[in-house]
Amino acid sequence: QQQVKQSPQSLIVQKGGIPIINCAYENTAFDYFPWYQQFPGKGPALLIAIRPDVSEKKEGRFTISFNKSAKQFSLHIMDSQPGDSATYFCAATPNSGTYKYIFGTGTRLKVLA
Amino acid sequence: GAGVSQSPSNKVTEKGKDVELRCDPISGHTALYWYRQSLGQGLEFLIYFQGNSAPDKSGLPSDRFSAERTGGSVSTLTIQRTQQEDSAVYLCASSDRQGQEQFFGPGTRLTVL
Repeated sequence: QQQVKQSPQSLIVQKGGIPIINCAYENTAFDYFPWYQQFPGKGPALLIAIRPDVSEKKEGRFTISFNKSAKQFSLHIMDSQPGDSATYFCAATPNSGTYKYIFGTGTRLKVLA
Repeated sequence: GAGVSQSPSNKVTEKGKDVELRCDPISGHTALYWYRQSLGQGLEFLIYFQGNSAPDKSGLPSDRFSAERTGGSVSTLTIQRTQQEDSAVYLCASSDRQGQEQFFGPGTRLTVL
């Protein structure tokens, strides 16, 4: 019940394409869903986050879609660029207690020039 | 301002030796987390500190792992009698008490020979 399942494991798209990364969770106590971007040799950096009271959130070229009833959320990257090539992690955390993140296993994205 | 810093950036040790990893959180952040990132895996929660409260140690994989946080700031993760399966990147994150966004350091890459 604590798991966050992320897919696909890896993704290759052409420049300008729209990669989509999906995550699913079981624990209904989760109420904060961040996406982190990690470049090789660096720590993860927060990209965008959503709470379950909204179905979509956009920040620049990044959009989270959230389906509360299906317990799924996804990251869309519009007009993807080679500089977006990185590993992306979804995560979930409850609204109480330690706020520890439960991370997905990551998606390695490569955007071809 | 300065972000989360970790030292050393890389550590190579022999099996059976003890190692200490250091984390300096963002100034003023009361919550501090340690995660482990194994090759090809997601991020695994290890331990959480919040102010003067008792730490959440539920993620520590064995009693060879311990951590402390002195003066509510700097934290040290200690691994005793290291094993080859301990090889991973150890990430530290901090957050404001009121927020759920966690800011990650660059990590310490531990290699146990």
